[in-house]
Amino acid sequence: TQLLEQSPQFLSIQEGENLTVYCNSSSVFSSLQWYRQEPGEGPVLLVTVVTGGEVKKLKRLTFQFGDARKDSSLHITAAQPGDTGLYLCAGAVGNQFYFGTGTSLTVIP
Amino acid sequence: KAGVTQTPRYLIKTRGQQVTLSCSPISGHRSVSWYQQTPGQGLQFLFEYFSETQRNKGNFPGRFSGRQFSNSRSEMNVSTLELGDSALYLCASSLVVTRETQYFGPGTRLLVL
Repeated sequence: TQLLEQSPQFLSIQEGENLTVYCNSSSVFSSLQWYRQEPGEGPVLLVTVVTGGEVKKLKRLTFQFGDARKDSSLHITAAQPGDTGLYLCAGAVGNQFYFGTGTSLTVIP
Repeated sequence: KAGVTQTPRYLIKTRGQQVTLSCSPISGHRSVSWYQQTPGQGLQFLFEYFSETQRNKGNFPGRFSGRQFSNSRSEMNVSTLELGDSALYLCASSLVVTRETQYFGPGTRLLVL
């Protein structure tokens, strides 16, 4: 069992559609991060959410941190082919750093 | 400013051999973390170094080790390779030991035959 569970695991949508990716845990995190990883590259940090209930927007991407700081969501509006990639949530518990199970998104033109 | 570089990018080894991977962090960054990425287990934290000292370690066997040099460059070593060690090994650098802002390299893809 992974500390950070993401759903869905795979997502294939048409360009222009909206989608939401979820990141859930039974542990409390002081902060959670979201990354996007493209094939052959390392993950790239998109955002860090720190406060429970916090909402951050990055162009068409909206990130929310749960009130209890155990979960987070990523919503993409009007997805574009350039959004294709592996989305990962991540956070630290104590001295350990954990990545989520990942959501592989494919946006079809 | 140059990003995180990792060498080599690809590596093929056989079971029982050992391997050393190298990571050069962004200039000025003193913290380097290593991760293993596999399709089955996803991204898992290996260890973190700051100022030549290992600060944190993940749940990996002692075959996995690392070190950091005075110029912040880091190496990780895997001894007695097993088939299950085939993975993408990622290095990330950050200014300090917070991991809130990590910059990842492209990784080294290791295949163990």
